[in-house]
Amino acid sequence: EPEVTQTPSHQVTQMGQEVILRCVPISNHLYFYWYRQILGQKVEFLVSFYNNEISEKSEIFDDQFSVERPDGSNFTLKIRSTKLEDSAMYFCASSEKLDIPEAFFGQGTRLTVV
Amino acid sequence: GQNIDQPTEMTATEGAIVQINCTYQTSGFNGLFWYQQHAGEAPTFLSYNVLDGLEEKGRFSSFLSRSKGYSYLLLKELQMKDSASYLCAVVDSNYQLIWGAGTKLIIKP
Repeated sequence: EPEVTQTPSHQVTQMGQEVILRCVPISNHLYFYWYRQILGQKVEFLVSFYNNEISEKSEIFDDQFSVERPDGSNFTLKIRSTKLEDSAMYFCASSEKLDIPEAFFGQGTRLTVV
Repeated sequence: GQNIDQPTEMTATEGAIVQINCTYQTSGFNGLFWYQQHAGEAPTFLSYNVLDGLEEKGRFSSFLSRSKGYSYLLLKELQMKDSASYLCAVVDSNYQLIWGAGTKLIIKP
């Protein structure tokens, strides 16, 4: 069964450092998303991406965040200068259709900022 | 504002049936998802309802009433592995998912 894959599974970084979280969406999917989930809290939408550009973003997705699809397969989330409160699970998701979004999630990257 | 409400925690017995309710107030409606999430893992897709009525898939069923802003997830023949959080999420008018906080389901032998 096709799946969304994310790397690394766990990333520890020092406050102020840049991190790049990587995702390989399902190959025929056209819509890509990043979510985060702080431990014990609800899933929060960060950004959606279609046709090589951001289609929607939340208030959380400020200038410290960026997304990119550098080639035909990878979808990355960059955090330029990490803060302690960026510590969370980051989930990538993809969907084939706009009207049934995010049916498939990756296993997540646990980001710990120290 | 947009709001998804579901109980924080429920407890049920192995082999029994449990119903997890979700009510929502969102700007527009383009469907409702139920996801299962085990601790430390990604949400996994359970069901998607866009029309009123009951969708059955094995031991799991999901019901939607758009006029009432209400859905439930019904789990039958509960197994210990069903212990997890169950997340209700609504697709709003911008096709974004609005997430509930999840219901932690505890299954007891």
